[in-house]
Amino acid sequence: QLQLQESGPGLVKPSETLSLTCTVSGGSVTSTNSFWGWIRQPPGKGLEWIGSLYSGGSTSYNPSLKSRVTISVDASKNQFSLKLDSVTASDTAVYFCSKRGNGYYWGQGILVTVSS
Amino acid sequence: DIQMTQSPSSVSASVGDRVTITCRASQGISNYLAWFQQKPGKAPKSLIYAASSLQSGVPSKFSGSGSGTDFTLTISSLQPEDLATYYCQQYLAFPYTFGQGTKLEIK
Repeated sequence: QLQLQESGPGLVKPSETLSLTCTVSGGSVTSTNSFWGWIRQPPGKGLEWIGSLYSGGSTSYNPSLKSRVTISVDASKNQFSLKLDSVTASDTAVYFCSKRGNGYYWGQGILVTVSS
Repeated sequence: DIQMTQSPSSVSASVGDRVTITCRASQGISNYLAWFQQKPGKAPKSLIYAASSLQSGVPSKFSGSGSGTDFTLTISSLQPEDLATYYCQQYLAFPYTFGQGTKLEIK
C-alpha cells in the first residue's frame, strides 16, 4: 500500500524559503509513468496545484508560482521535495504531496504558517 | 488554463438518497478527470480517476462518468459518513486545475 508523508517546519518567516519533503513508502519514486506532485489548500479555501515531477525527470509548475517553486527528487532516500522562495502570508496553507499514476494518492498534509 | 466548474456548490440530502455532482471543463479534457472526497480536517481521498475508474479500496457506491467537457460523480445510498466536500480535477494539461468544491450535507 503506497503511503506518502510530508515533513518540514510548520512556521516560516516572511521572505524566507519554505522547504518540505515527502517520504514515499510502499512504492518507489523511480516507478515509471508516475507524477509526483504538491498541492496546497489555504485555510477554509479550495485546492491549488503547485507542480509535478514526472518519473522521467521533467517538472511542471503552476505559472502563478513558477518563479518561486522548485520540485526535486532524491531517489536514494525515496523522497521528493518542494521549495518555495520568498514566502508571504498568502502562502500559509496545508501542503499535500501526491502521486498520480495508476490511481491517485495523497499524504496527510502539513500546515505551514508564514509569520514573523 | 482549463477552468473546472462544479455544480451545485452545496447539496443537502437524506440518508439513503442518490446524489449526483457535476463538473464541467472549459475545454475538452477527454477522460483526464479525478474526483476527491475531503472530510472536515482531513486530507483529500481519491475516489475516481480517468473519469470512471474506481480507486482501489473505494466502495462501489461511488461512480463516475463522462468524457470531453461534462462529468458526473454519483453517490448511491447516501450515508452519514459521506458528509464531505467533493472536488474534481483535470489533469490533461498543466496547470492542473480543480473545481471549487461541492459541500455535501446530510439532512
